[in-house]
Amino acid sequence: DIQMTQSPSSLSASVGDRVTITCRASQGISNSLAWYQQKPGKAPKLLLYAASRLESGVPSRFSGSGSGTDYTLTISSLQPEDFATYYCQHYYSTPPTFGQGTKVEIK
Amino acid sequence: EVQLVESGGGLVQPGGSLRLSCAASGFTFSSYAMSWVRQAPGKGLEWVSAISGSGGSTYYADSVKGRFTISRDNSKNTLYLQMNSLRAEDTAVYYCVKVVVINNPIDAFDIWGQGTMVTVSS
Repeated sequence: DIQMTQSPSSLSASVGDRVTITCRASQGISNSLAWYQQKPGKAPKLLLYAASRLESGVPSRFSGSGSGTDYTLTISSLQPEDFATYYCQHYYSTPPTFGQGTKVEIK
Repeated sequence: EVQLVESGGGLVQPGGSLRLSCAASGFTFSSYAMSWVRQAPGKGLEWVSAISGSGGSTYYADSVKGRFTISRDNSKNTLYLQMNSLRAEDTAVYYCVKVVVINNPIDAFDIWGQGTMVTVSS
């Protein structure tokens, strides 16, 4: 199975900050990577797929990049509604696996 | 509106069985592979099982293989997960999810249901 390692596990940031979350795969996944946002008590929401394709309706302050084994989610200017937990997921092969999550908290 | 609505969760004793259902609407259900993803309380996300649009191909996580069975009824736009020999570690919220791309059995998940809680405890 391909292991997905996210860093950091948590971070504290202020409104307006630029935030970067990293996801590393245990082997190359050819941009078969998605990012999700989850708020407490809610289902995850797809933000990006194919490493950098923004899902319809997702604000443009969210962006994704990377290749091979290393991928990044960037929030260019953190908004109050962005405080949540973020997960990466590969879908390069079966089983698809998720990172352990990154909790973004208010500083 | 594209929507997935799960049902069937509840409290079950270890070794027991439960069948989850997921009613889909707002898209051509038979064209898309579907999956179940679960989340134990306070934990991360774990993919459980997937099924192709036709139902002819199924996929399972090692943790549930031989105990869980995924199926679908395209005439009813409904996805199922039959869970047998349940264990305490199966306790989780179970989400029904739709893939982004038609005919991709394993893909990103763009539509999620609200989830149904399964608790395995004596």
